Amino acid sequence: DTGVSQDPRHKITKRGQNVTFRCDPISEHNRLYWYRQTLGQGPEFLTYFQNEAQLEKSRLLSDRFSAERPKGSFSTLEIQRTEQGDSAMYLCASRLGQGSDGYTFGSGTRLTVV
Amino acid sequence: AQTVTQSQPEMSVQEAETVTLSCTYDTSESDYYLFWYKQPPSRQMILVIRQEAYKQQNATENRFSVNFQKAAKSFSLKISDSQLGDAAMYFCAYRTGAQKLVFGQGTRLTINP
Repeated sequence: DTGVSQDPRHKITKRGQNVTFRCDPISEHNRLYWYRQTLGQGPEFLTYFQNEAQLEKSRLLSDRFSAERPKGSFSTLEIQRTEQGDSAMYLCASRLGQGSDGYTFGSGTRLTVV
Repeated sequence: AQTVTQSQPEMSVQEAETVTLSCTYDTSESDYYLFWYKQPPSRQMILVIRQEAYKQQNATENRFSVNFQKAAKSFSLKISDSQLGDAAMYFCAYRTGAQKLVFGQGTRLTINP
């Protein structure tokens, strides 16, 4: 298993366009998390899934953001009508969901809105 | 809401020396987990060490160890025999009963050769 994969690594888009990011977790991990990280800051929680169920969404996740995890495997995060404030690194992480196990993070998708 | 505070935005240490990174957190829960993550310039977060709140013994992983003071809500990371490869952003994180990680603002560690 190669860990958590995120695609694309970089995305530049014009303001107002829609973008979609993909995350492929470690196959046996049933929990998947999305975070947003701006330069010089710690990651901020966006949302998480247990299998295909989206169990929690942050208030940071405005109506323009939507996430899915069909069949409990990969996940997508879509941002509609992008704004310059959406520019950030979007991190995906997964974990098995047992005790003290830590998250395994992907390399992230860096979004730049111009 | 749970918060995690790292009061040192930047730290530097000479190669082979020891450095301690500070972290405090605020919670009303009694059972939780604490983590230190490393984020090198390549940006992928790597788990360094973890601590269960119910364990009194401080966790140790090779050159990395923690000083967990539950009453003071303090969770510092000590790196012994610092190496150039230790240079990175270090994030302290707390996991809630809701299973999401809450991160601190990070400490940028520089290793001087």
